[in-house]
Amino acid sequence: DGGITQSPKYLFRKEGQNVTLSCEQNLNHDAMYWYRQDPGQGLRLIYYSQIVNDFQKGDIAEGYSVSREKKESFPLTVTSAQKNPTAFYLCASSTWTVFNEQFFGPGTRLTVL
Amino acid sequence: KNEVEQSPQNLTAQEGEFITINCSYSVGISALHWLQQHPGGGIVSLFMLSSGKKKHGRLIATINIQEKHSSLHITASHPRDSAVYICAVGNRDDKIIFGKGTRLHILP
Repeated sequence: DGGITQSPKYLFRKEGQNVTLSCEQNLNHDAMYWYRQDPGQGLRLIYYSQIVNDFQKGDIAEGYSVSREKKESFPLTVTSAQKNPTAFYLCASSTWTVFNEQFFGPGTRLTVL
Repeated sequence: KNEVEQSPQNLTAQEGEFITINCSYSVGISALHWLQQHPGGGIVSLFMLSSGKKKHGRLIATINIQEKHSSLHITASHPRDSAVYICAVGNRDDKIIFGKGTRLHILP
């Protein structure tokens, strides 16, 4: 089955710890995205990558880091510098640009205690 | 003012009713997306359109580029249609801007 997987679905961390959220896709898509969703707000773009070994900051990149060493994988690290890390994180992919249909993963709910 | 506005924010209806969710945007766009988010959080893309009208099953999406407005219609609504419906636009700077979503609850 083709699709996007994110793991784990729920994640708990202590304040001050870095945590890495995984995102894998087997759709052969070039572009991948990370979004953050907070209650009552629209999705906000954290980082995106349109090609391996290249990525761009989105609207709220501070306190986050990413890597794109393989086409299939786009992990997101939430660092201790992120002031409000508790949120729902969604990964997505598309064939090339945001103008194309985006396919979303199931999301990871991160709670920082 | 948000660049993408959806209305209503919340909508409760009886099973079988015809549902309309509206989306207005203030930027130039290349495409508009309608997404569905179920209670578990997963998001599914319903439509991507840049003009006219698209239909898939009981769902219909329309867009009026001149008026910068799109509507999502659900005919013969069913409790399983209960979800958050999100409008998103791809602008000419290659960015996607999301609305805050419309929470739909269909009562049996």
